[in-house]
Amino acid sequence: ETGVTQSPTHLIKTRGQQVTLRCSSQSGHNTVSWYQQALGQGPQFIFQYYREEENGRGNFPPRFSGLQFPNYSSELNVNALELDDSALYLCASSPGGSGNTIYFGEGSWLTVV
Amino acid sequence: AQRVTQPEKLLSVFKGAPVELKCNYSYSGSPELFWYVQYSRQRLQLLLRHISRESIKGFTADLNKGETSFHLKKPFAQEEDSAMYYCALANFGNEKLTFGTGTRLTIIP
Repeated sequence: ETGVTQSPTHLIKTRGQQVTLRCSSQSGHNTVSWYQQALGQGPQFIFQYYREEENGRGNFPPRFSGLQFPNYSSELNVNALELDDSALYLCASSPGGSGNTIYFGEGSWLTVV
Repeated sequence: AQRVTQPEKLLSVFKGAPVELKCNYSYSGSPELFWYVQYSRQRLQLLLRHISRESIKGFTADLNKGETSFHLKKPFAQEEDSAMYYCALANFGNEKLTFGTGTRLTIIP
C-alpha cells in the first residue's frame, strides 16, 4: 500500500459546475503532482506543488487550480467544467529530489454531463 | 517539446515467449526514462527507471540515445505480466512526467 489516497473515487458533475478533488500524500512526501488521464490516453501533467508552492504547470488553462496544505495534502479545483474534462484525475506524491520514487493514488473518476 | 511515443496500443504474446514493448522519445537535453505498469484494478506503479539499470520482475530496458528509444524487454513472458504499460520521461532531477499513450500487454496461456 503506497499511502496516497484520493477522494472522491467517482463523481458526476454538470457542465459549468465546479469540482474539488482531494489527495492525501504519503507520510513525509512534500511534493505532489496532479495528472489528467482521458480514456485511452496516458496521464498528462497538470501541475506540481512543493512545500505549498506551485512548482511547474502543464498545458492546462487557469480554470485548473490547486492547493497544497501544510500537512502536504492537496486539492485540485476545476471551474467551469467542460465535457472534455471527463477523465481520471491522478495524484502522485514523492519525497522530492532526484532519484525518489513517485507514488500514485488510485484516482478520481470525473464525468461531466 | 518533449514527447513519448508507444506505437503499439495492444500486444499479445504467448506465455514463455519474449516480450518487447517499444518506446521512443523526443527531448532536448538529458531525460530520465521510466516504465510504469498498471495491473488490473491496481494503481499505477513504477516498474523501472533507466538510471538504476536494474531488472524488475525479469524486465529490463536500455536507454539508446542514438535511436532515442527505451524499449522494455523480458525474455520469457509470464501470465502475471498482463497489464497496461506506460513509458514516461522527465527532466533529469525533477518529477514532472510525460507519459506515452500506453501498451496493453496480454499474455496468452
